[in-house]
Amino acid sequence: QSVLTQPPSVSAAPGQKVTISCSGNNSNIENNYVSWYQQLPGTAPKLLIYDNNKRPSGIPDRFSGSKSGTSAALGITGLQTGDEADYYCGTWDSSLKVAFGGGTKLTVL
Amino acid sequence: QVQLVESGGGVVQPGGSLRLSCATSGFTFRKYGMHWVRQAPGKGLEWVAVVYYDGSDQHYADSVKGRFTISRDNSKNAVYLQMNSLRDEDTAVYYCMRDRTNFCDYWGQGALVTVSS
Repeated sequence: QSVLTQPPSVSAAPGQKVTISCSGNNSNIENNYVSWYQQLPGTAPKLLIYDNNKRPSGIPDRFSGSKSGTSAALGITGLQTGDEADYYCGTWDSSLKVAFGGGTKLTVL
Repeated sequence: QVQLVESGGGVVQPGGSLRLSCATSGFTFRKYGMHWVRQAPGKGLEWVAVVYYDGSDQHYADSVKGRFTISRDNSKNAVYLQMNSLRDEDTAVYYCMRDRTNFCDYWGQGALVTVSS
């Protein structure tokens, strides 16, 4: 069982918008920055969002992050079939460990 | 460019040991903490361990504490994961990652460890 809670799956049509939630508590999300990772099928995870809402170079602005209290969210607009992947949230925990969400499988219908 | 390349994976019997290596290049290795994360077949990511940039401290997931040891050699730009007393549930792809304080920005391609009799 993962420390952070994500929905197992989300789906939307091409061109639409989807939001993936990530819920934690005051030991992790509330007092630390949240990052998001994209894992395309058969590949290693890749950094998508860091420090709650910043995008690394090369990540399109269709991807956005937000955080409020003990929850965070990843937004993806203008969905493309190439966005089909597993998405994970991550943060540090007060016990000096890294916490990940269980992952959310995005299906672009 | 930044590269992380894991090696040392394989098949090992329960109770056995294995040592993973992560060779790095393209950045000043001694300035960064390094993590190991694993992913069991069909499952999500599980953080395993972190070693500070200078090797002065390490932290472990409860599931591996006392059995796994993370270490680094800054002269070789490499980080290691010594895994002892392996169990079936340790079967996973193991990734090394570069630490950026609040997140990890680069991941290796992973090394598969299979614990099976």
